[in-house]
Amino acid sequence: DTGVSQNPRHKITKRGQNVTFRCDPISEHNRLYWYRQTLGQGPEFLTYFQNEAQLEKSRLLSDRFSAERPKGSFSTLEIQRTEQGDSAMYLCASSPGASPEPQHFGDGTRLSIL
Amino acid sequence: GESVGLHLPTLSVQEGDNSIINCAYSNSASDYFIWYKQESGKGPQFIIDIRSNMDKRQGKRVTVLLNKTVKHLSLQIAATQPGDSAVYFCAERRSGNTPLVFGKGTRLSVIA
Repeated sequence: DTGVSQNPRHKITKRGQNVTFRCDPISEHNRLYWYRQTLGQGPEFLTYFQNEAQLEKSRLLSDRFSAERPKGSFSTLEIQRTEQGDSAMYLCASSPGASPEPQHFGDGTRLSIL
Repeated sequence: GESVGLHLPTLSVQEGDNSIINCAYSNSASDYFIWYKQESGKGPQFIIDIRSNMDKRQGKRVTVLLNKTVKHLSLQIAATQPGDSAVYFCAERRSGNTPLVFGKGTRLSVIA
């Protein structure tokens, strides 16, 4: 399978705990994006990377959220001190880097906060 | 604020009929548009895209039409099949910005 891979697929945690998600983009895709999707809504942009550089962050990305892409390959998204409102599907997408171009999505990590 | 939206939240069609899903966008500076299909429990799947310098693009059983005058985008699916049942999103890229802006989606139900 050469698509975007996300782990874990599901995460259930108690409010206040920290969680970390991983995204492995399509091989040789330079751009990597994180989105959040709640039920009945379209994905909302959180942040994106060009190689290892984080180029843009949405105002949705509070200071409890941090994303990294240390070697320009896989990326992690960490949420600290989780809140009920963080419950959502977290989607990762990647694209080659020649704009404009379609972004290809993984199947997401569904986060549930108890 | 400006957003990508959809006219119809749900659409039911008979198997074999053609489907048309509509989308209105409000940012005249948007230069690139994409349609995605999302099945339950899965991520959005790319269907077709179109740049603002085009008004029509065809793929396999799908056609996207872009009317910049009225800021309208549509997805036509020919000979709709049960496997086409899903939520469809249009998304726009606002010129100069890479992130996509998505609408809420239209649920397509195919009646066998």
